[in-house]
Amino acid sequence: AQKVTQAQTEISVVEKEDVTLDCVYETRDTTYYLFWYKQPPSGELVFLIRRNSFDEQNEISGRYSWNFQKSTSSFNFTITASQVVDSAVYFCALSEARAGTASKLTFGTGTRLQVTL
Amino acid sequence: DTEVTQTPKHLVMGMTNKKSLKCEQHMGHRAMYWYKQKAKKPPELMFVYSYEKLSINESVPSRFSPECPNSSLLNLHLHALQPEDSALYLCASSHATGGFQETQYFGPGTRLLVL
Repeated sequence: AQKVTQAQTEISVVEKEDVTLDCVYETRDTTYYLFWYKQPPSGELVFLIRRNSFDEQNEISGRYSWNFQKSTSSFNFTITASQVVDSAVYFCALSEARAGTASKLTFGTGTRLQVTL
Repeated sequence: DTEVTQTPKHLVMGMTNKKSLKCEQHMGHRAMYWYKQKAKKPPELMFVYSYEKLSINESVPSRFSPECPNSSLLNLHLHALQPEDSALYLCASSHATGGFQETQYFGPGTRLLVL
């Protein structure tokens, strides 16, 4: 069975601080995909990034960066120089690889990030 | 254009009403999903349609009835709901390839209140 753990329920930072959101996963699959989604107060789940299990390259996109470490089953997300607009709930998710069919996401419980002035 | 649209944005209904939620995507995706999300919880999968066939039903009560008229449209018919069914209902779509491009894109959701 797959499992995603986001141990941080809520994080509060002051604008311009860096913040890291932790994600630890469990799966027996050798091929799988990891995701981060952002959910602002409006409710829409916004896709941020997908990582494939066979690609451990870390990624930077503007103020966002992701650190995927297979050895520790972690996929952490860092926001550099946080802004008030980053305030949202962030979900880490895991899906198995099943060729030619729909995917099934296992979500973590989410981390609520509050960025204040 | 990674857009999934959902209507209505908000819905208030009584326990004896019948209503429908609608979802549409024009990304050429062949899988569509319904999720239910309660406050401060992650989304819970309800149904999955793959190539217009129902492929997953997560033991959802029969008062929720999904329908996929074509590959771009997904409906959720609601009948005799309970107050505990009040939640944010999210629709998503994906390519249904199961491969490394398989990403679910979500709509803005419908906030449902059952009185």
